[in-house]
Amino acid sequence: EAQVTQNPRYLITVTGKKLTVTCSQNMNHEYMSWYRQDPGLGLRQIYYSMNVEVTDKGDVPEGYKVSRKEKRNFPLILESPSPNQTSLYFCASSWTGQTDTQYFGPGTRLTVL
Amino acid sequence: AQSVTQLDSHVSVSEGTPVLLRCNYSSSYSPSLFWYVQHPNKGLQLLLKYTSAATLVKGINGFEAEFKKSETSFHLTKPSAHMSDAAEYFCVVTSYSSASKIIFGSGTRLSIRP
Repeated sequence: EAQVTQNPRYLITVTGKKLTVTCSQNMNHEYMSWYRQDPGLGLRQIYYSMNVEVTDKGDVPEGYKVSRKEKRNFPLILESPSPNQTSLYFCASSWTGQTDTQYFGPGTRLTVL
Repeated sequence: AQSVTQLDSHVSVSEGTPVLLRCNYSSSYSPSLFWYVQHPNKGLQLLLKYTSAATLVKGINGFEAEFKKSETSFHLTKPSAHMSDAAEYFCVVTSYSSASKIIFGSGTRLSIRP
């Protein structure tokens, strides 16, 4: 089954404790991205990657890191989480970033205390 | 630069009546436009997309949207609302000039009255 998986689905952590949210897709897509969803703001792109070893900043990259060492995986790293990073996070993949359908993961609800 | 504005944060209609969700965009180059739907506590699913072919685009579940370049609009419509249409809807814009960024609107919550 074609899918995007994220782990964990729910996470409660404390300020400053490094965490990683994993994302994996099995569709051989080249384009992957991370979003955060906050009430009234829609989804905002954090980082995106057009292919292996190619990543770039979206609209809200501060406080986040990503890497793309393999085509299928695109982990999101919060090295020192803060309460303003409490949000719902989605990973997505597609063939390209411009004209193709994005396939979304189920979301990760993160709470930073 | 590009941006997208969803003109209504909440729309409420009666079951069986038409639905109109409004979206205006700004893009320096030819845009691609999408509508995605998010049902409560679920992920996002593509409803339809415009990528410079026919300006009237038909999607799933009876939804359609018309790309109007002169009005910079991409409104989503459905002739007859169903209870299962209650969800949040997002208008999305991309373009080849945008360095591959993808811009979402702030969303419109659609409620259906019995």
